[in-house]
Amino acid sequence: GAGVSQSPSNKVTEKGKDVELRCDPISGHTALYWYRQSLGQGLEFLIYFQGNSAPDKSGLPSDRFSAERTGGSVSTLTIQRTQQEDSAVYLCATQDRGLGETQYFGPGTRLLVL
Amino acid sequence: ILNVEQSPQSLHVQEGDSTNFTCSFPSSNFYALHWYRWETAKSPEALFVMTLNGDEKKKGRISATLNTKEGYSYLYIKGSQPEDSATYLCALYTGGFKTIFGAGTRLFVKA
Repeated sequence: GAGVSQSPSNKVTEKGKDVELRCDPISGHTALYWYRQSLGQGLEFLIYFQGNSAPDKSGLPSDRFSAERTGGSVSTLTIQRTQQEDSAVYLCATQDRGLGETQYFGPGTRLLVL
Repeated sequence: ILNVEQSPQSLHVQEGDSTNFTCSFPSSNFYALHWYRWETAKSPEALFVMTLNGDEKKKGRISATLNTKEGYSYLYIKGSQPEDSATYLCALYTGGFKTIFGAGTRLFVKA
């Protein structure tokens, strides 16, 4: 496809369950970011992948959060034992060339933890 | 902790009104500033990227200015239309890999 896609678009889950969010980047984009936006907050950086380098996980809020990127393409963000405070919009963005360039966002996954 | 502030948090205008909102940031360690528009149920999309003090960018009825010395950028919308209703995000790139986003200004344009 021409843009970044994410699935599912919406996810409602019960507290304590695990969820997996998927991001399909623009082909050829080497950089991939995960962000989340909680109600009334700015975009919060979670994790960054660049090519084959080790990801920067410094933004992950707890060890319940993990992400991987297979073959430098599709990425999945997994949240284990979800909590109500995990409810947010989770956005994936990819970037072509160097750092500081425009990021291209997916439509996001709206997660609601009951 | 580096902070990007956007004001106002939300704004309600009538169709045809012109409006503007602000992004403030620490003036040191500046590399680039991005504006994005985020419509409900859609992906944030890039509007402008500005790198030089005094930069002015324009796309249709929307324009932006940048003052890196005093640490602010203005986004202007001339003759607002209902389709301009969205959240406008400002993002600061200061080097490394992180881009720091503001909380956004949510614009509502009433027909």
